[in-house]
Amino acid sequence: GAVVSQHPSWVICKSGTSVKIECRSLDFQATTMFWYRQFPKQSLMLMATSNEGSKATYEQGVEKDKFLINHASLTLSTLTVTSAHPEDSSFYICSASWTNTEAFFGQGTRLTVV
Amino acid sequence: GQQVMQIPQYQHVQEGEDFTTYCNSSTTLSNIQWYKQRPGGHPVFLIQLVKSGEVKKQKRLTFQFGEAKKNSSLHITATQTTDVGTYFCAGRPGGGNKLTFGTGTQLKVEL
Repeated sequence: GAVVSQHPSWVICKSGTSVKIECRSLDFQATTMFWYRQFPKQSLMLMATSNEGSKATYEQGVEKDKFLINHASLTLSTLTVTSAHPEDSSFYICSASWTNTEAFFGQGTRLTVV
Repeated sequence: GQQVMQIPQYQHVQEGEDFTTYCNSSTTLSNIQWYKQRPGGHPVFLIQLVKSGEVKKQKRLTFQFGEAKKNSSLHITATQTTDVGTYFCAGRPGGGNKLTFGTGTQLKVEL
């Protein structure tokens, strides 16, 4: 199956700073990747669809200026949480999938904002 | 928008007991997938069901897709401690590429 690598696996940052999370496809080219957010004991909520070479498509209620997504190459998508606040603390996870196929997930990033 | 609900939300069982989680979608699904997420880990794909009424087995796990393609179930026979985790169903509304995950069922297995 496809291998997706996400980095860092965990990060602690101060309130007001920005954090960048990287998601790499190691053995395939990903024109589309997905970013999810998961709060403790809750489900995965899709935040946005990252499209290589074009703007990301955000789900309703997700702030575009807060969660910046860049997909500049076929193997790398990044999510930047800008001006992070404690309520942004969560588990962020990326995935790659194609129509009618399984989703391949990165390892996830646990963000703690203090 | 599409909603995918799972029941129960939590389940504690004794090792050796059976376990079932039910998944219900507000819309018809072209296919349904099941994932398992261990504590602190990422979701791992288990299986995909495509056909109406389809039943698939993986060792002690039995997956079923409803006739109307709006519901599904996962049954584990004789649970083991290695079955601990949260089980999610997931579907694609309208046949697109975006996966919508169910609310999940957290399984705890006690010795």
